[in-house]
This record gives sequence, C-alpha cells and structure tokens, in this order.
Amino acid sequence: DAGVIQSPRHEVTEMGQEVTLRCKPISGHDYLFWYRQTMMRGLELLIYFNNNVPIDDSGMPEDRFSAKMPNASFSTLKIQPSEPRDSAVYFCASILSTEKGAFFGQGTRLTVV
Amino acid sequence: AQSVTQLGSHVSVSEGALVLLRCNYSSSVPPYLFWYVQYPNQGLQLLLKYTSAATLVKGINDFEAEFKKSETSFHLTKPSAHMSDAAEYFCAVSEGYQKVTFGTGTKLQVIP
Repeated sequence: DAGVIQSPRHEVTEMGQEVTLRCKPISGHDYLFWYRQTMMRGLELLIYFNNNVPIDDSGMPEDRFSAKMPNASFSTLKIQPSEPRDSAVYFCASILSTEKGAFFGQGTRLTVV
Repeated sequence: AQSVTQLGSHVSVSEGALVLLRCNYSSSVPPYLFWYVQYPNQGLQLLLKYTSAATLVKGINDFEAEFKKSETSFHLTKPSAHMSDAAEYFCAVSEGYQKVTFGTGTKLQVIP
C-alpha cells in the first residue's frame, strides 16, 4: 500500500483565496483525521470521519474551514477565505483501529501571504 | 478527558548515551498509548504502542517504553543513541474511541 497520500505538498496562496487540501487514506481504514501543526499550538485535531461521516468537528477553528469525505478513498479540507494565521502544516491520518495506531500522510505545508 | 504531558520540549544526548523521553498521561479509562516520531518535513510515524498487553513495549529501532499505571507514565527509552535518532517525538493517548490526543512533542538532539 502507498500509505496516506496528501496533495499538494506545498501551497502558497494569497490572503482571501480559497485553498483545498486533499487526502487519500489507506484502503480499508474506516477513520480519517485532519490535523494542523504549528509551532505555537503543536498538533491539533481539526475533524475526524468514520465511514465517511464527520464524527467530531469541534477542532475546526472557524466557519472558514470545512471538510468533506465524499467516499472512502478521498477527503478534502477547504479554507475559504484563507488568512495568514492559517499558515501551518496540515496532516491527514487514517486508522483501521485505535490499537493499531494512526498512519499519517507527509503533510501539506500551507503558507498564506 | 484524555491528555498527555511531555516533560522537556528539547532533550540533548551524546551519541551512544541513553535516551529517555518522558510522558505522563491522564485518562478516565485504561488507555491506549503511543509514541510517534517525526523527521523533518515528514509526517508522524508510529514508533510503538501500548494496548493493555505487556507493560514493556518494544518498538522499531531499539526503542522501548514501559507503561506504569501507578505513575501514569509511558516514558520512551533507547539504550544507545544514534545520530539518526535526531527527530521530534510525540506521545499520544486514546481512550479507545479512535480520537487520539497528542503531546506537545520533544525534540531530540544527538551530539556526536
């Protein structure tokens, strides 16, 4: 298996623009997580899905953030409009079961200027 | 609510010396505990996990961790540090409903 695949690896955008981050989880994993990593706040859970259904989005910082999982092999995290404080590394992770641990993608480094 | 505390945001050891990274957890039920490693510009990789079997857990690259319920600790150790161990290490806890909470991370520096 190729692991969790995220795209793009790097994204530079101007403030106010829409940004879409993409994730393909490992086949067969029922849970998908979106995390944000910054120097100030470390690794924060934004939202997670089970069988394509959002279970907990309490970590989504504002209404500007939205996430979807239209099918078992694809998820998006959208920021509209983007702001400089959204600059961070965004990780997607998938889990088959808690005891097996999470598998992370390589992340998308977002820079909003 | 589940949480983890990692003591020391930066740890420096000499090559060949013992590595000890500290983690204390809080959980209302018997937890699952994990250590992850993150190399620069990479995602997190699972190093080892505790899932209520043996209290001493062995992971990749000679790392191991011991679950101590009385101390609510899950410290990570390695007998002899290698230069390639330089990375950031994250302790994590889950109460079994898939949601995993990560610590703030400890950056390990290995001095030649």
